[in-house]
Amino acid sequence: QIQLVQSGPELKKPGESLKISCKASGYTFTDYAMQWVKQAPGKGLQYMGWINTQTGKPTYADDFKERFVFSLETSASTAYLQINNLKNEDTATYFCVRGTGDYWGQGVMVTVSS
Amino acid sequence: DIQVTQSPSSLLASLGERVTITCQTSQSISNNLNWYQQKPGQAPMLLIYYATSLQTGMPSRFSGQYSGRSFTLTITSLEPEDIANYFCLQHYSAPYTFGAGTKLELK
Repeated sequence: QIQLVQSGPELKKPGESLKISCKASGYTFTDYAMQWVKQAPGKGLQYMGWINTQTGKPTYADDFKERFVFSLETSASTAYLQINNLKNEDTATYFCVRGTGDYWGQGVMVTVSS
Repeated sequence: DIQVTQSPSSLLASLGERVTITCQTSQSISNNLNWYQQKPGQAPMLLIYYATSLQTGMPSRFSGQYSGRSFTLTITSLEPEDIANYFCLQHYSAPYTFGAGTKLELK
């Protein structure tokens, strides 16, 4: 069955970096783009952008053009989200999402606190 | 960017009641809209894709319709397990955009 399995929760300090993984299984990884979505505590969903899994080209939404990096390890059917220079407002759950939104990872809760 | 306006933001309903949630887009997106249900601490679950298609395994009391730029999610008879947050997603063009969500609660 199709699954997106994300890495575990993270507790970081402001200024640090982190890298979240999203491992896909049950389908051909390069057949679908991978989207990334942020959900701050008690808030709605915010689209971060997507990565073309065939070319590796990322596209970022306006609010995520600095400090955020999407990447791939195609041989491992895995997508990554890296966040640099973490800020308190990065505290949120981050989801990877296949293609046009049919399958979601379970989410990674990221807490940024000094 | 395409704006998505979802209403209402919250809704009180009784068991067995018919519930309707609406998303309005700022420009035409054809049928490129999904509806999701999200319960606390869980990932969103796809209910309806391409505006009207019921996701496999989802109860038939959920349905989607659209006309022009207006999209509706209907629950024909509210069940206790339907208490959740609902939101829409337009995937017609990047950046994709979400509705702000509807919190559905029991009256």
